[in-house]
Amino acid sequence: GEDVEQSLFLSVREGDSSVINCTYTDSSSTYLYWYKQEPGAGLQLLTYIFSNMDMKQDQRLTVLLNKKDKHLSLRIADTQTGDSAIYFCAEKGSGGYQKVTFGTGTKLQVIP
Amino acid sequence: GAVVSQHPSRVICKSGTSVKIECRSLDFQATTMFWYRQFPKKSLMLMATSNEGSKATYEQGVEKDKFLINHASLTLSTLTVTSAHPEDSSFYICSAPIGANTEAFFGQGTRLTVV
Repeated sequence: GEDVEQSLFLSVREGDSSVINCTYTDSSSTYLYWYKQEPGAGLQLLTYIFSNMDMKQDQRLTVLLNKKDKHLSLRIADTQTGDSAIYFCAEKGSGGYQKVTFGTGTKLQVIP
Repeated sequence: GAVVSQHPSRVICKSGTSVKIECRSLDFQATTMFWYRQFPKKSLMLMATSNEGSKATYEQGVEKDKFLINHASLTLSTLTVTSAHPEDSSFYICSAPIGANTEAFFGQGTRLTVV
């Protein structure tokens, strides 16, 4: 089945850029997502990219997709303490109503 | 934009009781909805696919008699945790795509605590 993998932990200093990486196995992925989950809270959709795109930028967020290598990354510019959370990469396959498969999540710690 | 509303956001129940969680698509019809569960410090795992007007499809290892899913209308799916145990305590979240091959929208999630 589909598999999505992420590193478990990332620590950065406030003001630096954060890059969270994700790899996936489903070659038929149509949408790839980045979600943010703060402690005790639900999922917040940060951004998503359609599989025929290489890059998407949205304010401080930049998503890069390398479809050949099945690699997705999320760059957060000028990381703030409020960005501390768990970030989930997720992918959705093609062909009708498909489930979303989540990665294990990367815990981002921002050091003041 | 499309919204999926989940209720309640938090619930505490006693062992042995049943709890119903609702998932509504507010401005679109959803023939299919998905139910996920998040274990502590782990990712979200798909529990079942809810299909309007037919039986839900459960993932391997999910007890269908314990986690009852009803998708009675095009805008509402419910998940009932029956005879709840403390190990059922978790974060449950639903999602619904607007249509085939579209992005999926997630509810806010329900944190269930069984005492």
